[in-house]
Amino acid sequence: DAKTTQPTSMDCAEGRAANLPCNHSTISGNEYVYWYRQIHSQGPQYIIHGLKNNETNEMASLIITEDRKSSTLILPHATLRDTAVYYCISGSGYALNFGKGTSLLVTP
Amino acid sequence: SQTIHQWPATLVQPVGSPLSLECTVEGTSNPNLYWYRQAAGRGLQLLFYSVGIGQISSEVPQNLSASRPQDRQFILSSKKLLLSDSGFYLCAWSGASGVTGELFFGEGSRLTVL
Repeated sequence: DAKTTQPTSMDCAEGRAANLPCNHSTISGNEYVYWYRQIHSQGPQYIIHGLKNNETNEMASLIITEDRKSSTLILPHATLRDTAVYYCISGSGYALNFGKGTSLLVTP
Repeated sequence: SQTIHQWPATLVQPVGSPLSLECTVEGTSNPNLYWYRQAAGRGLQLLFYSVGIGQISSEVPQNLSASRPQDRQFILSSKKLLLSDSGFYLCAWSGASGVTGELFFGEGSRLTVL
């Protein structure tokens, strides 16, 4: 079973920042936090991952709390193409299981 | 550049029939390979992973098996399909250092068992 908790769904207006929360209160010291997204009927796409420090790339920013029990994925300027299911995963090694994720709807 | 292909894209099979889904990766050597399944309304569940030829680890007991006959080929099989085997099957690969970075997924194979 997935070890993370995410809201089932969220809405965001186009052009605004989308902030997707994730709780991973049982995360171990050597486990990373990964974020992926899945557009309908396609394979998931990697977004970003982190261990302790906040991370930023061309797609998003990842903010991890100091106690590492939660994180937030930030899409700074959401577009309609960002409508997807977003998965937050914590783990290390090979066995990464994806939960049901957050269904993000970006509206015009 | 690396690419991953899996086929067939869509499959409709009767209960009790065999299954073979194939996945190949190009442009990389000694990848870690994975099979995931996504049932309707559920998340992605890891079924099998492989760190090398002939090395298969199963995460969930089930009616399916996996094989890796070549470095960049991963096959998912069943001798007799069940209704519960219906779902969206995804092959993925990662670098040989383990899952400390990206998983790259294929396009998926949608299986309907009738």
